[in-house]
Amino acid sequence: EDQVTQSPEALRLQEGESSSLNCSYTVSGLRGLFWYRQDPGKGPEFLFTLYSAGEEKEKERLKATLTKKESFLHITAPKPEDSATYLCAVHDTGGFKTIFGAGTRLFVKA
Amino acid sequence: DGGITQSPKYLFRKEGQNVTLSCEQNLNHDAMYWYRQDPGQGLRLIYYSQIVNDFQKGDIAEGYSVSREKKESFPLTVTSAQKNPTAFYLCASKRGEGRRLLFNTGELFFGEGSRLTVL
Repeated sequence: EDQVTQSPEALRLQEGESSSLNCSYTVSGLRGLFWYRQDPGKGPEFLFTLYSAGEEKEKERLKATLTKKESFLHITAPKPEDSATYLCAVHDTGGFKTIFGAGTRLFVKA
Repeated sequence: DGGITQSPKYLFRKEGQNVTLSCEQNLNHDAMYWYRQDPGQGLRLIYYSQIVNDFQKGDIAEGYSVSREKKESFPLTVTSAQKNPTAFYLCASKRGEGRRLLFNTGELFFGEGSRLTVL
């Protein structure tokens, strides 16, 4: 069964304290792993797509990496405005549906 | 600016009533989706449509109905058969090429969501 699991459920950081969020996935033939950011009461906003193991992408303080079984979202020197829920998702085996993890709620304190 | 518009943002429903959530996109995307989000859970797929006049059930379609009469529009009706409809509903779209494409692997573009509360 296609599945996405994110950890931790919540993460509290001090401003400037770097950390990583984890996304482990089970799918037959990965056709894309996605990271989204969601602010409270808003729709998710696309951040990155990764397609193959070893691939990395960066945007400001965020860096996403991918292995054969998991992806990490590294946050370097976070700021309070990075506080949000980060969602990981993969395409299902058929390729038409996107399966989401439950998300990691990130709180960054000034 | 292109995007997805959901309305209303907040909706209250009495027991036994049907309600319809609107979703309109001007991105010229073929594929459209409806997700439900509950606290502490991931987004769960209700219905999706790859092309006009065609749609498929997702993982939690019971108690919901949709139509896709126009490329730009994909309304969702929450019927009285849905036992626990209070949730945050998200509409999304994705570039696609209808049935000719085996896999539609692009990212999703989301609307701002509609929060439905049953009184």
